[in-house]
Amino acid sequence: DTGVSQNPRHKITKRGQNVTFRCDPISEHNRLYWYRQTLGQGPEFLTYFQNEAQLEKSRLLSDRFSAERPKGSFSTLEIQRTEQGDSAMYLCASSLLLEGEAFFGQGTRLTVV
Amino acid sequence: DAKTTQPPSMDCAEGRAANLPCNHSTISGNEYVYWYRQIHSQGPQYIIHGLKNNETNEMASLIITEDRKSSTLILPHATLRDTAVYYCIVRVSGNTPLVFGKGTRLSVIA
Repeated sequence: DTGVSQNPRHKITKRGQNVTFRCDPISEHNRLYWYRQTLGQGPEFLTYFQNEAQLEKSRLLSDRFSAERPKGSFSTLEIQRTEQGDSAMYLCASSLLLEGEAFFGQGTRLTVV
Repeated sequence: DAKTTQPPSMDCAEGRAANLPCNHSTISGNEYVYWYRQIHSQGPQYIIHGLKNNETNEMASLIITEDRKSSTLILPHATLRDTAVYYCIVRVSGNTPLVFGKGTRLSVIA
């Protein structure tokens, strides 16, 4: 098990384009979390799943953002009509339901130009 | 979840103990104290957590005051690789999302 994997590691896109990120959690982890982090700030919670069910969404998750975890394994985070303010590091984490330790991936750094 | 207060930055000499404080005066009886750290350009890494009793693992020790209103993370022999931002987080259980503040930027100096 190599831990939480995120792809791509870096993404540069033009404003207005759509982007999709993928997160592969640690196998058998039923909780999966998405966070966003901007320079100098701590990670901000976006949304999380328990298996394939999306249980909570932050107010930060505007209508342009959508996340899925179709089979309770990997997850995707899509941003439509990207804006410069979407430039950030997008982090994914996974954990087992009854344990508190969350394991984070290396993140996907998005730059919107 | 209760809020936490941490100093924005700290320095520590290599080989010495690093003591990182955290205030959580509004903590509830069922809230745990978690510590994570984030080394530059990496995702956060779990360090340790506790409820009431002091905890120790291979990475660090966690000292929680008797009234649980504050805690201290101790790195017994800091190395240059411990330079990171350290986050103290209070949460009800392991099943709720982690809510990060700005943390403490620890610089270990040779």
